[in-house]
Amino acid sequence: NAGVMQNPRHLVRRRGQEARLRCSPMKGHSHVYWYRQLPEEGLKFMVYLQKENIIDESGMPKERFSAEFPKEGPSILRIQQVVRGDSAAYFCASSPEATDTQYFGPGTRLTVL
Amino acid sequence: GQQLNQSPQSMFIQEGEDVSMNCTSSSIFNTWLWYKQDPGEGPVLLIALYKAGELTSNGRLTAQFGITRKDSFLNISASIPSDVGIYFCAGSLNDYKLSFGAGTTVTVRA
Repeated sequence: NAGVMQNPRHLVRRRGQEARLRCSPMKGHSHVYWYRQLPEEGLKFMVYLQKENIIDESGMPKERFSAEFPKEGPSILRIQQVVRGDSAAYFCASSPEATDTQYFGPGTRLTVL
Repeated sequence: GQQLNQSPQSMFIQEGEDVSMNCTSSSIFNTWLWYKQDPGEGPVLLIALYKAGELTSNGRLTAQFGITRKDSFLNISASIPSDVGIYFCAGSLNDYKLSFGAGTTVTVRA
């Protein structure tokens, strides 16, 4: 049973470009969570999605960031017009139901030049 | 969000030693979790605690959910080289939003 998959694993963008991060949850999991980790810090909750619905986006910046989890395909975290402060590791987690027992992917490390 | 303080920030271990780390919160949680993160990877769930006072083991790992619901500790007995990594505590008050500590980095003592 494959775990949570994220791609790309590393992403380099110049300031002002767009970053698209993908997450495929574990098989049978319909709940997806995105977290951001700055260097030497813990993970910070960003957004919680179910299929086709955003349930809680209280941790996501209101501008430039958006997330979706379509009926078919992976969940996407999109960052428009990236700035250097967006450089971080972005982790996706999934679960079969709304729960704190979440399984994390390997992360996407975003570097903004 | 909730503030979690994890200590120590880092520690050095020698093979065979017992290791202990803890996590305190400014507010209560209903669930405490402990994760391990290796470099370049995502966190891996080690132990989940759901009840105040609960003591749970997973192999050489033992964790407890504090009675006040504001703290938890993790012990590693008879450490081995592959125990190195960053250990994170996380707490949850509702069903899904995890608050993480800043991590305890465990390194092998030369």
